[in-house]
Amino acid sequence: DIQLTQSPSSLSASVGDRVTITCRASQTITRWLNWYQQRPGEVPKLLIYTTSNLQSGVPIRFSGSGSGTDFTLTISSLQPEDFATYYCQQSSGKPTFGQGTKVEI
Amino acid sequence: EVQLLESGGGLVPPGGSLRLSCAASGFALSDYGMSWLRQAPGKGLQFVSLTTANGGILQYSDSVKGRFTISRDISKNTLFLQMNSLRAEDTAIYYCAKWRGAQSIFDVWGQGALVTVSS
Repeated sequence: DIQLTQSPSSLSASVGDRVTITCRASQTITRWLNWYQQRPGEVPKLLIYTTSNLQSGVPIRFSGSGSGTDFTLTISSLQPEDFATYYCQQSSGKPTFGQGTKVEI
Repeated sequence: EVQLLESGGGLVPPGGSLRLSCAASGFALSDYGMSWLRQAPGKGLQFVSLTTANGGILQYSDSVKGRFTISRDISKNTLFLQMNSLRAEDTAIYYCAKWRGAQSIFDVWGQGALVTVSS
């Protein structure tokens, strides 16, 4: 199975900050990389698919980039509702997830 | 509105069996792939199983292969996960999710069902 490693595992940030989370795959996955957000006590929610496509209804402050093995999720200006855990997921082979990145105050 | 509602979770002893159900509304199971994912307490997300729209392709994680079986009842628009030979490490919230096969993404999630494997 393809392994995904996210960094950092957690980060502290303030409202208005620009936040970047990285996800590295153990082998090339071209652009088959997706991002999910899970707020505390809530169900995971799809944010971005195929590296950079915003899911319907997701604010444009979220963006994704990358290719091959290295990918990033960027939040341009952190909002209070963005404090959550973010997971990357690859869809090149059998689905696997990164270990998560917790964004906290 | 597309909705998924899991049921059937609970406490089961090691070695026991449990069947989870996921009732879909707002769309037809026959038109979409479906999947099961899980999240152990305080841990990350893990893929468990998926079935394509026509039911022709089934996938399982290595950790559940041979013990879990995914199936569907199209007439009831319901997805199932039969879990046998349960282990303590299977303790988790189990989510069903609609699977968009073209991008292999999980675009709609249910609220989850808690499965606890303990004596």
